[in-house]
Order: sequence, then structure tokens, then C-alpha cells
Amino acid sequence: DSGVTQTPKHLITATGQRVTLRCSPRSGDLSVYWYQQSLDQGLQFLIQYYNGEERAKGNILERFSAQQFPDLHSELNLSSLELGDSALYFCASSPPTGGPYNEQFFGPGTRLTVL
Amino acid sequence: GDSVTQMEGPVTLSEEAFLTINCTYTATGYPSLFWYVQYPGEGLQLLLKATKADDKGSNKGFEATYRKETTSFHLEKGSVQVSDSAVYFCALSDWIQGAQKLVFGQGTRLTINP
Repeated sequence: DSGVTQTPKHLITATGQRVTLRCSPRSGDLSVYWYQQSLDQGLQFLIQYYNGEERAKGNILERFSAQQFPDLHSELNLSSLELGDSALYFCASSPPTGGPYNEQFFGPGTRLTVL
Repeated sequence: GDSVTQMEGPVTLSEEAFLTINCTYTATGYPSLFWYVQYPGEGLQLLLKATKADDKGSNKGFEATYRKETTSFHLEKGSVQVSDSAVYFCALSDWIQGAQKLVFGQGTRLTINP
């Protein structure tokens, strides 16, 4: 158990809908990262938040957005869902020190299926 | 941009066999390098890391050496066990404007038969 929690574990929805994925980082970690894992694209970095502020952006679509709240939990919002958005979405957190050498601790993931 | 290339899987070995999973990278700076492992139904967990050239990371019998001259970070284990069956990801860490960005390879699925 990494200490990172994600809910829900599974999500099944229809095209055009909107969903929210939730992540709670490890105690003491200020950074939260979101990743998408799909068969064709592999594991891709989406976005990072540090202590409530957006810090880095990766290959995140405009239909996707995220935020980190004062209690440090984070939510990833996916809207106007398409079949191709079906994937495993991981959240990770890392401690406030260590810079580029930091280990990221991954949650168990949320499996999103868009029908 | 930065990228990581891993040997294609899946890889199937017998127990106690020697394992090598190749990983090469392209980066403009001097990244840190990582191997993460994903067991079935779980998230990724760090296996080992190396932060500068010629560093050797090791954990649970696995080893990898940061080779700057060949831009490689190959994963090795002398004698694999059935419990090593998992997907292995090589990754590099960039530090850009105060933010860490991990770039992953495509993953290599390893199956160990008893």
C-alpha cells in the first residue's frame, strides 16, 4: 500500500458524459500528479499540482481539467467523454523535498470505461 | 522532446533464469533514471533509481547502471522468481521550472514460469 488513495476504483459511463476522479496523496506530500495509461499511448503524464497550484502540464486534453484543494486532495475532471478516453488513470504523490530525484508514489488507479 | 525506449515484450522466462530488459533514453539534460514495477491490479511502485552517470541502483536482486555514454539503463537480475512476474517501466525524470516530469517507456511485460 503506497498511501495514495483513489476513488472510484471503476467507472463506467457513456460518451458525452462528465466524470470526476478523486485522489488523496500520502500524508505530508504536497505534489500530486495525474497519469493516463492506455494500451495504445502507454503511460502519459497529464498534470501536476503542488500545494494547490498547477506546476506542470503534459499531454492533457482541453476537455480535461484538474485541481488541488486546501486539504491537498485532488480531482481530475473529464468532460465530453469519448470512447478513446477509456483508460486507467493514476494519481501519484511525492514529498516536498528531493527535486528530480524524487520517488513518486502511485495510487491503485481508476479504470474508466466509456461506452 | 525527451523519450524512453524499452525492449518490446512480452518476455517469458523460466524460474532462476537471467533477466535483462533493455532501456535507452533521449534527453537534453542530465535526467535521473528510474525503474518502476506494476504488479497485476496495482499501481506502479519504484524498484530502483540512479541519479547520475555510473550510478548503480539496486533492489530485491535487480540492478541497473546509469550509462551516459550509451544513454542506457538496462535492468538485470541474476535469478528470477515467479513472483517477479509483472510489467516493468523504465522512466527518466526531468526537472523543468521547479517541476518534476516523469517520462515512461512503453513497459515490458515479464512472465516467469515455474
